[in-house]
Amino acid sequence: EAGVAQSPRYKIIEKRQSVAFWCNPISGHATLYWYQQILGQGPKLLIQFQNNGVVDDSQLPKDRFSAERLKGVDSTLKIQPAKLEDSAVYLCASSSQGTGGGNEKLFFGSGTQLSVL
Amino acid sequence: DQQVKQNSPSLSVQEGRISILNCDYTNSMFDYFLWYKKYPAEGPTFLISISSIKDKNEDGRFTVFLNKSAKHLSLHIVPSQPGDSAVYFCAATPVGSNYKLTFGKGTLLTVNP
Repeated sequence: EAGVAQSPRYKIIEKRQSVAFWCNPISGHATLYWYQQILGQGPKLLIQFQNNGVVDDSQLPKDRFSAERLKGVDSTLKIQPAKLEDSAVYLCASSSQGTGGGNEKLFFGSGTQLSVL
Repeated sequence: DQQVKQNSPSLSVQEGRISILNCDYTNSMFDYFLWYKKYPAEGPTFLISISSIKDKNEDGRFTVFLNKSAKHLSLHIVPSQPGDSAVYFCAATPVGSNYKLTFGKGTLLTVNP
């Protein structure tokens, strides 16, 4: 079974530039998550999709971050303009339900490491 | 405000001995807890979980203990193996919250041969 695919693996940009990350979840998984992991911290949820609808984006800095999940499959996360503090690993995860029913697992991709100079 | 705390940034143990990783939480609404393992340059992978209706869950060499009154959980690895060397994240969520996980900062476990 193919896992969660993310690209690119690494990205280096200058502040005020824009950047986009792509995620392809495990086939059939209805729920997709974007997490931000700053060095030395645990992953922090940015946005959660159920199919192609947004379930939770309360921690997404909406003035600069945007995300979409077209047709309920692939997703893109965009930052425009980037700031120095956006340097982090951006992790995509998927799960089959996302309803918090217990015995549920999130499957993570390898992440995109973003460096903002 | 850190709702899930892993106070030990690192832990070093000898191969074959027990590894004990600790986690504390402050949010009384959390009732489902998970441990994830992360190798360098990879995403976290699910290891083991426990519901608040239990105080212990075991899966092979891995056992998670939950003390609800103390808001504390721990992960025991017995016996520890060099391949267990990784960062371990504790995570928690209220059931029915659309599975919104809150992670701790992680503990780097090093198992020495």
